[in-house]
Amino acid sequence: GQNIDQPTEMTATEGAIVQINCTYQTSGFNGLFWYQQHAGEAPTFLSYNVLDGLEEKGRFSSFLSRSKGYSYLLLKELQMKDSASYLCAVTETTDQAGTALIFGKGTTLSVSS
Amino acid sequence: EAGVTQSPTHLIKTRGQQATLRCSPISGHTSVYWYQQALGLGLQFLLWYDEGEERNRGNFPPRFSGRQFPNYSSELNVNALELEDSALYLCASSYNRGWNTEAFFGQGTRLTVV
Repeated sequence: GQNIDQPTEMTATEGAIVQINCTYQTSGFNGLFWYQQHAGEAPTFLSYNVLDGLEEKGRFSSFLSRSKGYSYLLLKELQMKDSASYLCAVTETTDQAGTALIFGKGTTLSVSS
Repeated sequence: EAGVTQSPTHLIKTRGQQATLRCSPISGHTSVYWYQQALGLGLQFLLWYDEGEERNRGNFPPRFSGRQFPNYSSELNVNALELEDSALYLCASSYNRGWNTEAFFGQGTRLTVV
């Protein structure tokens, strides 16, 4: 089985840096994704980590530690448009359940001026 | 290039009826995934189709079913609708069945059961 935990809500101000944490417990880890979902819209891909370390992509970075079952998404130079839900998702393969991409409940980030 | 398209955008059904939701993947993508996003519950994995076959299904009752057509489009059928089936149903597609490439999501179908 799998268990993915991330904070329900976070708030920050424009220009700041925010770190959204995600912890997971899974028996057949294949990789971890971060998605962004604005209210009423489809989730959009942000990052993918399969090896330990930091992946940087513009203002967004994602970190993975497989031994600790831990990831974080780092957002720099926050903008109002970054207000959205951020979804941590883990790819898992098990003999019992096959392969699937399992999502956490998401972290709602509110950016204020 | 067109993204993942879903129809209808909104669907209102009565309890006990059947609902059919449709998804057209991005051209060249062979894998289609269905998720249910109910209020406060996050995205729950429903079904995964690839090359016309069901590859995996989540922890949902058998009244949730679907299929994938030769052109890789997909249908999700929900029989004997219950009030708690009210949710946003999202379809996603990818070109790789190994789950190690990003999946692109459609805008979803908002199903309301009354």
